[in-house]
Amino acid sequence: DAKTTQPNSMESNEEEPVHLPCNHSTISGTDYIHWYRQLPSQGPEYVIHGLTSNVNNRMASLAIAEDRKSSTLILHRATLRDAAVYYCILISARDDKIIFGKGTRLHILP
Amino acid sequence: ETGVTQTPRHLVMGMTNKKSLKCEQHLGHNAMYWYKQSAKKPLELMFVYNFKEQTENNSVPSRFSPECPNSSHLFLHLHTLQPEDSALYLCASSQDFPGQGALPNRSPLHFGNGTRLTVT
Repeated sequence: DAKTTQPNSMESNEEEPVHLPCNHSTISGTDYIHWYRQLPSQGPEYVIHGLTSNVNNRMASLAIAEDRKSSTLILHRATLRDAAVYYCILISARDDKIIFGKGTRLHILP
Repeated sequence: ETGVTQTPRHLVMGMTNKKSLKCEQHLGHNAMYWYKQSAKKPLELMFVYNFKEQTENNSVPSRFSPECPNSSHLFLHLHTLQPEDSALYLCASSQDFPGQGALPNRSPLHFGNGTRLTVT
């Protein structure tokens, strides 16, 4: 079973920031928090990942709670091309199984 | 272009047919994966290969038979499928060698765009 909980769907206006939440209350010390997104008719693509500290890259920012039981993916300025299903998953170096949940379907309103 | 190429993009087959899905990556990755994505269901992990050796078979029926001749190529051989096997089949690769406990981090998965399979 997936070890994360995400809202089924969210909406946001174009050119505004989007905060996508993820709960992972059973996270272990060796679990990294990874985010992927799946655009229509494509396979999932990597967005960002982190362990304890907040992370930034060209696509997004990842804010991780101090107790690591939740995290938030931040899209600073959403565009229509960001409409996708966003997956938050926990991945450990010791685990062959990389399990995806249902994700959050993000709708961007023009 | 994701670096992971899957062929064919679409496949229609009867329940008595035998077909194969192909996945190719030229990213120099060591691990390859097959996932199944059915409508309105999460991605389901099917198989994991590391350096051509299968390390994970997630209770997949024997009508699905994977083959990994080298680190760059992965096949999924299909025979006597059922209509409920219709789905998007996704291949992925990663740099890491899953299961190496000494590694504190895992490199990202790189997915292909999948093969849309319809079983009639």
